[in-house]
Amino acid sequence: GNSVTQMEGPVTLSEEAFLTINCTYTATGYPSLFWYVQYPGEGLQLLLKATKADDKGSNKGFEATYRKETTSFHLEKGSVQVSDSAVYFCALHSMEYGNKLVFGAGTILRVKS
Amino acid sequence: GAGVSQSPSNKVTEKGKDVELRCDPISGHTALYWYRQRLGQGLEFLIYFQGNSAPDKSGLPSDRFSAERTGESVSTLTIQRTQQEDSAVYLCASSLYGRVGGEQFFGPGTRLTVL
Repeated sequence: GNSVTQMEGPVTLSEEAFLTINCTYTATGYPSLFWYVQYPGEGLQLLLKATKADDKGSNKGFEATYRKETTSFHLEKGSVQVSDSAVYFCALHSMEYGNKLVFGAGTILRVKS
Repeated sequence: GAGVSQSPSNKVTEKGKDVELRCDPISGHTALYWYRQRLGQGLEFLIYFQGNSAPDKSGLPSDRFSAERTGESVSTLTIQRTQQEDSAVYLCASSLYGRVGGEQFFGPGTRLTVL
Protein backbone atom coordinates (compact mmCIF):
# COMPACT_ATOMS: atom_id res chain seq x y z
CA GLY A 1 0.00 0.00 0.00
CA ASN A 2 0.92 3.66 0.02
CA SER A 3 3.03 5.08 2.74
CA VAL A 4 5.06 8.16 3.44
CA THR A 5 8.18 8.22 5.60
CA GLN A 6 9.76 11.44 6.73
CA MET A 7 12.69 12.15 8.98
CA GLU A 8 11.99 12.25 12.66
CA GLY A 9 12.30 15.48 14.52
CA PRO A 10 12.54 17.72 16.14
CA VAL A 11 15.01 19.45 13.88
CA THR A 12 16.68 22.41 15.57
CA LEU A 13 18.59 24.93 13.45
CA SER A 14 20.05 28.38 13.84
CA GLU A 15 18.70 31.21 11.73
CA GLU A 16 20.10 31.27 8.19
CA ALA A 17 21.07 27.60 8.31
CA PHE A 18 20.31 25.23 5.43
CA LEU A 19 17.32 22.96 5.90
CA THR A 20 16.62 19.52 4.53
CA ILE A 21 13.69 17.39 5.64
CA ASN A 22 13.76 14.01 3.97
CA CYS A 23 10.62 12.36 2.64
CA THR A 24 10.32 9.07 0.80
CA TYR A 25 7.21 7.29 -0.36
CA THR A 26 6.02 3.94 -1.54
CA ALA A 27 3.39 3.82 -4.23
CA THR A 28 2.69 2.24 -7.56
CA GLY A 29 2.16 4.61 -10.42
CA TYR A 30 2.65 8.34 -10.17
CA PRO A 31 1.10 9.94 -7.11
CA SER A 32 0.96 13.67 -6.56
CA LEU A 33 3.26 14.81 -3.75
CA PHE A 34 2.75 17.60 -1.26
CA TRP A 35 4.34 19.38 1.64
CA TYR A 36 1.89 20.84 4.16
CA VAL A 37 2.90 23.10 7.05
CA GLN A 38 1.25 23.70 10.40
CA TYR A 39 2.41 26.88 12.16
CA PRO A 40 1.88 27.12 15.93
CA GLY A 41 -1.76 27.70 16.71
CA GLU A 42 -2.80 27.60 13.06
CA GLY A 43 -4.42 25.14 10.71
CA LEU A 44 -2.71 22.96 8.15
CA GLN A 45 -1.86 24.73 4.91
CA LEU A 46 -0.33 23.71 1.63
CA LEU A 47 3.31 24.76 1.26
CA LEU A 48 4.11 23.28 -2.15
CA LYS A 49 3.32 20.40 -4.45
CA ALA A 50 4.50 18.46 -7.50
CA THR A 51 2.25 16.36 -9.67
CA LYS A 52 4.68 14.56 -11.97
CA ALA A 53 8.19 13.20 -11.98
CA ASP A 54 11.02 15.78 -12.07
CA ASP A 55 8.63 18.61 -11.22
CA LYS A 56 9.91 21.06 -8.63
CA GLY A 57 7.48 22.69 -6.24
CA SER A 58 8.51 25.93 -4.60
CA ASN A 59 7.04 28.51 -2.24
CA LYS A 60 8.35 30.96 0.38
CA GLY A 61 11.95 29.93 -0.36
CA PHE A 62 11.19 26.24 0.12
CA GLU A 63 11.73 23.73 -2.69
CA ALA A 64 11.12 20.03 -3.25
CA THR A 65 11.76 17.95 -6.38
CA TYR A 66 9.70 14.88 -7.31
CA ARG A 67 12.28 12.11 -7.80
CA LYS A 68 10.66 8.99 -9.19
CA GLU A 69 13.93 7.06 -9.34
CA THR A 70 14.50 7.45 -5.60
CA THR A 71 10.80 7.82 -4.66
CA SER A 72 11.66 10.95 -2.74
CA PHE A 73 10.36 14.48 -2.26
CA HIS A 74 12.84 16.11 0.11
CA LEU A 75 12.07 19.60 1.38
CA GLU A 76 14.87 22.17 1.29
CA LYS A 77 15.41 25.81 2.15
CA GLY A 78 18.66 27.66 1.79
CA SER A 79 18.31 29.99 4.77
CA VAL A 80 15.71 29.37 7.45
CA GLN A 81 14.11 32.04 9.60
CA VAL A 82 12.62 31.90 13.09
CA SER A 83 9.20 32.29 11.46
CA ASP A 84 9.71 28.95 9.67
CA SER A 85 9.34 27.13 13.00
CA ALA A 86 6.42 24.78 12.45
CA VAL A 87 5.47 21.15 11.83
CA TYR A 88 6.01 19.98 8.25
CA PHE A 89 4.06 17.09 6.75
CA CYS A 90 4.91 15.24 3.57
CA ALA A 91 1.90 13.69 1.83
CA LEU A 92 0.91 11.84 -1.30
CA HIS A 93 -2.36 11.65 -3.20
CA SER A 94 -3.20 8.80 -5.51
CA MET A 95 -6.54 7.60 -6.87
CA GLU A 96 -5.11 4.09 -7.04
CA TYR A 97 -5.56 3.66 -3.30
CA GLY A 98 -8.53 5.89 -2.75
CA ASN A 99 -8.95 9.60 -3.23
CA LYS A 100 -7.27 10.81 -0.06
CA LEU A 101 -4.06 12.32 1.21
CA VAL A 102 -1.67 9.90 2.90
CA PHE A 103 0.51 11.76 5.38
CA GLY A 104 3.88 11.21 6.96
CA ALA A 105 4.18 11.54 10.72
CA GLY A 106 5.34 15.16 10.55
CA THR A 107 8.65 16.80 11.39
CA ILE A 108 8.92 19.56 13.98
CA LEU A 109 11.29 22.35 12.94
CA ARG A 110 12.61 24.78 15.53
CA VAL A 111 14.69 27.72 14.36
CA LYS A 112 16.68 29.66 16.95
CA SER A 113 17.69 33.30 16.57
CA GLY B 1 -13.46 34.38 0.65
CA ALA B 2 -14.17 32.31 3.73
CA GLY B 3 -12.13 29.21 4.33
CA VAL B 4 -13.19 25.89 5.81
CA SER B 5 -14.74 26.34 9.23
CA GLN B 6 -15.27 23.78 11.95
CA SER B 7 -17.18 23.76 15.19
CA PRO B 8 -16.75 23.47 18.03
CA SER B 9 -13.06 24.34 18.24
CA ASN B 10 -12.75 22.35 21.46
CA LYS B 11 -14.91 19.61 22.90
CA VAL B 12 -14.45 17.86 26.22
CA THR B 13 -16.72 14.92 26.86
CA GLU B 14 -17.06 11.98 29.15
CA LYS B 15 -16.37 8.45 28.04
CA GLY B 16 -19.51 6.85 26.66
CA LYS B 17 -21.16 10.06 25.46
CA ASP B 18 -21.93 10.85 21.82
CA VAL B 19 -20.39 13.87 20.07
CA GLU B 20 -21.09 15.69 16.82
CA LEU B 21 -18.48 17.68 14.97
CA ARG B 22 -19.41 20.08 12.19
CA CYS B 23 -17.60 21.17 9.06
CA ASP B 24 -18.53 23.98 6.66
CA PRO B 25 -16.48 23.60 3.48
CA ILE B 26 -15.54 26.34 1.06
CA SER B 27 -18.55 27.23 -1.04
CA GLY B 28 -18.52 25.43 -4.38
CA HIS B 29 -16.10 22.71 -3.32
CA THR B 30 -17.51 19.34 -4.30
CA ALA B 31 -15.11 17.18 -2.30
CA LEU B 32 -14.99 17.02 1.50
CA TYR B 33 -12.61 14.98 3.66
CA TRP B 34 -12.34 14.17 7.36
CA TYR B 35 -8.97 13.33 8.92
CA ARG B 36 -7.86 12.66 12.48
CA GLN B 37 -4.59 13.76 14.08
CA ARG B 38 -3.69 12.00 17.29
CA LEU B 39 -1.00 13.46 19.49
CA GLY B 40 2.46 13.09 17.99
CA GLN B 41 1.15 11.33 14.89
CA GLY B 42 0.42 12.23 11.33
CA LEU B 43 -3.03 12.71 9.92
CA GLU B 44 -5.11 9.63 9.22
CA PHE B 45 -7.92 9.60 6.70
CA LEU B 46 -11.42 8.91 7.96
CA ILE B 47 -14.00 9.53 5.22
CA TYR B 48 -14.42 11.30 1.86
CA PHE B 49 -17.48 12.76 0.14
CA GLN B 50 -17.59 13.66 -3.55
CA GLY B 51 -20.75 15.22 -4.92
CA ASN B 52 -23.62 12.75 -4.94
CA SER B 53 -21.41 9.66 -5.04
CA ALA B 54 -21.38 7.14 -2.22
CA PRO B 55 -18.85 8.25 0.39
CA ASP B 56 -15.55 6.44 0.87
CA LYS B 57 -15.79 5.28 4.48
CA SER B 58 -12.71 3.07 4.37
CA GLY B 59 -10.85 5.06 7.03
CA LEU B 60 -13.50 5.01 9.75
CA PRO B 61 -11.92 3.12 12.67
CA SER B 62 -15.10 1.51 13.99
CA ASP B 63 -18.87 1.49 13.58
CA ARG B 64 -19.09 4.08 16.34
CA PHE B 65 -17.98 6.62 13.75
CA SER B 66 -20.32 7.95 11.08
CA ALA B 67 -20.57 11.03 8.91
CA GLU B 68 -23.12 12.73 6.75
CA ARG B 69 -23.00 15.49 4.22
CA THR B 70 -25.91 17.60 3.03
CA GLY B 71 -25.53 18.02 -0.72
CA GLU B 72 -22.30 19.85 -1.32
CA SER B 73 -22.35 21.79 1.92
CA VAL B 74 -22.16 21.05 5.62
CA SER B 75 -20.85 17.76 6.98
CA THR B 76 -21.27 16.27 10.43
CA LEU B 77 -18.99 13.64 11.94
CA THR B 78 -20.63 11.71 14.76
CA ILE B 79 -18.81 9.57 17.29
CA GLN B 80 -21.04 7.40 19.45
CA ARG B 81 -20.09 6.03 22.86
CA THR B 82 -16.78 7.89 22.85
CA GLN B 83 -13.64 6.20 24.15
CA GLN B 84 -10.44 7.76 25.45
CA GLU B 85 -8.57 6.65 22.33
CA ASP B 86 -10.91 8.88 20.29
CA SER B 87 -9.14 11.92 21.76
CA ALA B 88 -7.56 13.75 18.84
CA VAL B 89 -7.84 16.77 16.61
CA TYR B 90 -10.43 16.14 13.91
CA LEU B 91 -9.68 18.03 10.71
CA CYS B 92 -11.99 18.70 7.81
CA ALA B 93 -10.75 19.61 4.34
CA SER B 94 -12.42 20.50 1.08
CA SER B 95 -11.24 20.68 -2.49
CA LEU B 96 -12.80 22.02 -5.67
CA TYR B 97 -13.22 18.78 -7.60
CA GLY B 98 -11.46 16.15 -5.51
CA ARG B 99 -8.92 15.49 -8.25
CA VAL B 100 -5.51 14.01 -7.59
CA GLY B 101 -3.05 16.87 -7.37
CA GLY B 102 -5.67 19.37 -6.36
CA GLU B 103 -5.16 21.35 -3.18
CA GLN B 104 -7.12 20.38 -0.12
CA PHE B 105 -7.96 23.32 2.12
CA PHE B 106 -8.05 22.46 5.79
CA GLY B 107 -10.16 23.86 8.59
CA PRO B 108 -8.72 24.76 12.00
CA GLY B 109 -9.86 21.46 13.50
CA THR B 110 -11.89 20.36 16.50
CA ARG B 111 -9.85 19.21 19.48
CA LEU B 112 -11.75 16.37 21.13
CA THR B 113 -10.83 15.27 24.63
CA VAL B 114 -12.54 12.21 26.08
CA LEU B 115 -12.16 11.95 29.84
